[in-house]
Amino acid sequence: QKEVEQNSGPLSVPEGAIASLNCTYSDRGSQSFFWYRQYSGKSPELIMFIYSNGDKEDGRFTAQLNKASQYVSLLIRDSQPSDSATYLCAVGRGRGSTLGRLYFGRGTQLTVWP
Amino acid sequence: KAGVTQTPRYLIKTRGQQVTLSCSPISGHRSVSWYQQTPGQGLQFLFEYFSETQRNKGNFPGRFSGRQFSNSRSEMNVSTLELGDSALYLCASSLGDGNGYTFGSGTRLTVV
Repeated sequence: QKEVEQNSGPLSVPEGAIASLNCTYSDRGSQSFFWYRQYSGKSPELIMFIYSNGDKEDGRFTAQLNKASQYVSLLIRDSQPSDSATYLCAVGRGRGSTLGRLYFGRGTQLTVWP
Repeated sequence: KAGVTQTPRYLIKTRGQQVTLSCSPISGHRSVSWYQQTPGQGLQFLFEYFSETQRNKGNFPGRFSGRQFSNSRSEMNVSTLELGDSALYLCASSLGDGNGYTFGSGTRLTVV
């Protein structure tokens, strides 16, 4: 069983729509959850992190965490063509100075068409 | 504030050679991790260092090694290069404040 799994996509949404990206993880003891965005030919860029159950909003982005279901999601509201990228879900067993290694999903490719 | 700096950006090596990649973390960051990214395998964890100590190691052969210096700069070395080592090697650093890792631009290694 893979540590972190994401819906494989690709996901295609029209401009202005909500894009929903999903991720499940296998280690129930995981404490830190991250969403990275990676444009083609570039390195991953951190866009959101969440540690507690519930929702965390930052601008057009909302991360949702449900530890009981071992599920984390990312919603992108009012999607823009500039949001077209691969989104990587990453999970850590530690937190803060003990974060340690991250386990990455394979990523979901999102395309936002005008 | 300077980001994570990786050198060189691009590298072409021949099978059997060895290579050393360098990473300078963001000032003040003591945790450094290395990942290998390929289209087929995605992001694969190599090592994680904190204050010059290797805390975690991924499932890579012994040809892959690394170290961290007292100024938090890190290097990774791959000996006896194989064609399958061609990949983007990413270094990431963390302050340890819970805000995750920041990645460098990576080193694109091509083994011919």
